[in-house]
Amino acid sequence: DTAVSQTPKYLVTQMGNDKSIKCEQNLGHDTMYWYKQDSKKFLKIMFSYNNKELIINETVPNRFSPKSPDKAHLNLHINSLELGDSAVYFCASSRYRDRPGDYGYTFGSGTRLTVV
Amino acid sequence: ELKVEQNPLFLSMQEGKNYTIYCNYSTTSDRLYWYRQDPGKSLESLFVLLSNGAVKQEGRLMASLDTKARLSTLHITAAVHDLSATYFCAVDRDNDMRFGAGTRLTVKP
Repeated sequence: DTAVSQTPKYLVTQMGNDKSIKCEQNLGHDTMYWYKQDSKKFLKIMFSYNNKELIINETVPNRFSPKSPDKAHLNLHINSLELGDSAVYFCASSRYRDRPGDYGYTFGSGTRLTVV
Repeated sequence: ELKVEQNPLFLSMQEGKNYTIYCNYSTTSDRLYWYRQDPGKSLESLFVLLSNGAVKQEGRLMASLDTKARLSTLHITAAVHDLSATYFCAVDRDNDMRFGAGTRLTVKP
C-alpha cells in the first residue's frame, strides 16, 4: 500500500489550460503539504493543511488553489497554466506538532508537470 | 523567516574518502531532517534530529545537530558510488519545513 499517493505522475499540458493534481495519504496523518521542486532542485513549500484547515499559504500565484475535502486528501488545482509552472510537485504528510510520536514527513512520488 | 543554508552545493568525491556536508539555519527549530533524493525520484528520509547534541548513524552516513550554533552536519565515511545522490537538509518549525538548496554528491571510482 502506497502511503502518500499522487496522481498523475506525469502531466503535459498547454499554456492556458487548467489542471488538477490529487494526493491521498493512508497514514492517519493530520497535516498535508504541497511542495514545488524547480529545475534547479530547489524545494519550496506552497501550502499546508491541518485537518482540512489551511495553515501555510506561501507567496504563490492565486492561480494555484489547494482543496482538502478531508484530512486524508489534499488536491492542487492550477488555473491558466504558464510555462514557469513547469516543475515537480510533491505532496507530503506528517503528524501535527502537538502530537508526539513519529515526526517524519512522508513524501509522495511527485507529479512532473510540463507546460508547453 | 526560517532560512536554511547548505554547503557545498556540489561535491565530487573519490570512493573511500570522507567528507562533510554542512547545514546552517536562521532561527530556532523543532526538528532537523536529512533527506536523500535520487534522480527522478522522491525524497527518502535519512535522519530526524530532535535535540542539541543528537547524533545518528546509518551505514556510512552520520548526522549531528548543534542547536546552539544552529548547525547540522552530515558526515560521509569511506564513500561508495551508491551514495551518489542529492542530499537535502530541512528544518521544521511548527509544521513548516524549509529545505536547504541540496548538495549534489557524485562519488567517483
